[in-house]
Amino acid sequence: RKEVEQDPGPFNVPEGATVAFNCTYSNSASQSFFWYRQDCRKEPKLLMSVYSSGNEDGRFTAQLNRASQYISLLIRDSKLSDSATYLCVVNNAGNMLTFGGGTRLMVKP
Amino acid sequence: NAGVTQTPKFRVLKTGQSMTLLCAQDMNHEYMYWYRQDPGMGLRLIHYSVGEGTTAKGEVPDGYNVSRLKKQNFLLGLESAAPSQTSVYFCASRPGGEETQYFGPGTRLLVL
Repeated sequence: RKEVEQDPGPFNVPEGATVAFNCTYSNSASQSFFWYRQDCRKEPKLLMSVYSSGNEDGRFTAQLNRASQYISLLIRDSKLSDSATYLCVVNNAGNMLTFGGGTRLMVKP
Repeated sequence: NAGVTQTPKFRVLKTGQSMTLLCAQDMNHEYMYWYRQDPGMGLRLIHYSVGEGTTAKGEVPDGYNVSRLKKQNFLLGLESAAPSQTSVYFCASRPGGEETQYFGPGTRLLVL
């Protein structure tokens, strides 16, 4: 079983739609959590950290459920420019991050 | 600041050849990482370094060696390339006390 699992998609949504991705992690001792965004043939970039109380950054909302060991990302009012792969990332301890395989989002006009 | 740069951007090797990938960062970051990314597999950590002169193994270190002789550079070596090492290689760095990693643009390696 992978440490961090995501539905690979693709999620095909129209502009303006709301879309949600989930991610599950296997290590209950995981300490911190992130969503990274990766555009096609580009490097990953931090989208947002995920806090226990949930957090919002504009149209993006991230939530963490430690009891069920899952993380979610909600995107409201999708834009064409949101088309990318979204990587769920977990920091288990110290210096190393563990990446999920990514969920691909395609926003259509 | 150039951030994190990687050299080369693309390379084709024959099985058994060797090569070195260079990662450089100008942000004075303590930590540096080498990952490989394969379709459907996400990024997997090969080796990492917590400071100049130190290196450590990650999840998939076999077939690779690294060196961090200078703080700003992290080299990834393939002594005898195999087709299974065909991948996209990303370097990343971060400062101490911060979890966010900053990635280079990647090196695409094809081993025939």
